[in-house]
Amino acid sequence: DAKTTQPPSMDCAEGRAANLPCNHSTISGNEYVYWYRQIHSQGPQYIIHGLKNNETNEMASLIITEDRKSSTLILPHATLRDTAVYYCIVRWKMGGTSYGKLTFGQGTILTVHP
Amino acid sequence: DGGITQSPKYLFRKEGQNVTLSCEQNLNHDAMYWYRQDPGQGLRLIYYSQIVNDFQKGDIAEGYSVSREKKESFPLTVTSAQKNPTAFYLCASSNGGQGSNGELFFGEGSRLTVL
Repeated sequence: DAKTTQPPSMDCAEGRAANLPCNHSTISGNEYVYWYRQIHSQGPQYIIHGLKNNETNEMASLIITEDRKSSTLILPHATLRDTAVYYCIVRWKMGGTSYGKLTFGQGTILTVHP
Repeated sequence: DGGITQSPKYLFRKEGQNVTLSCEQNLNHDAMYWYRQDPGQGLRLIYYSQIVNDFQKGDIAEGYSVSREKKESFPLTVTSAQKNPTAFYLCASSNGGQGSNGELFFGEGSRLTVL
């Protein structure tokens, strides 16, 4: 699985957009980009994933560059409850049913300030 | 409600003792996983199972053992051979079927402390 690089920490003001970058320059064609977050001492929570098109759901938006070497997770209106560690992970998928391992790096600690 | 249940939430053990952490899911998921997390670190994969009666080693399997006799259960045994067992242990499951997005659902974790 391709490795990812994320900044160790970021700050954001409450109500503003939080933009979390991720580099995955060695990503291959069948690898998806997944984002999870972990609030202190809880299990990680799935946020969003994508292959090459931008994706949006009720939690966030995922912007993937055209060359797929980097991506950005966007929390449009950050709240204090969004303070967490955010993990960017690449994971292969084949045949619609087989997935590679989900390997977590150290992630980005996002702190949302009042 | 459907979900993953880990027990116990907190566990203390003496050095040299084996301990088994329970993980049960009622999501009808085929795949189950065990991760370990140390303070300030990401999650590391210990073992995973994609189907009943089958499992594979992850990145840090030494000193651990698992079984998968039932679809809904994937217990993890931390043996005395594990040199640094104090950690936060997380169990997860996923449905790898056609059309799924491969999302992992995590339990609330078990915190093991070796005295």
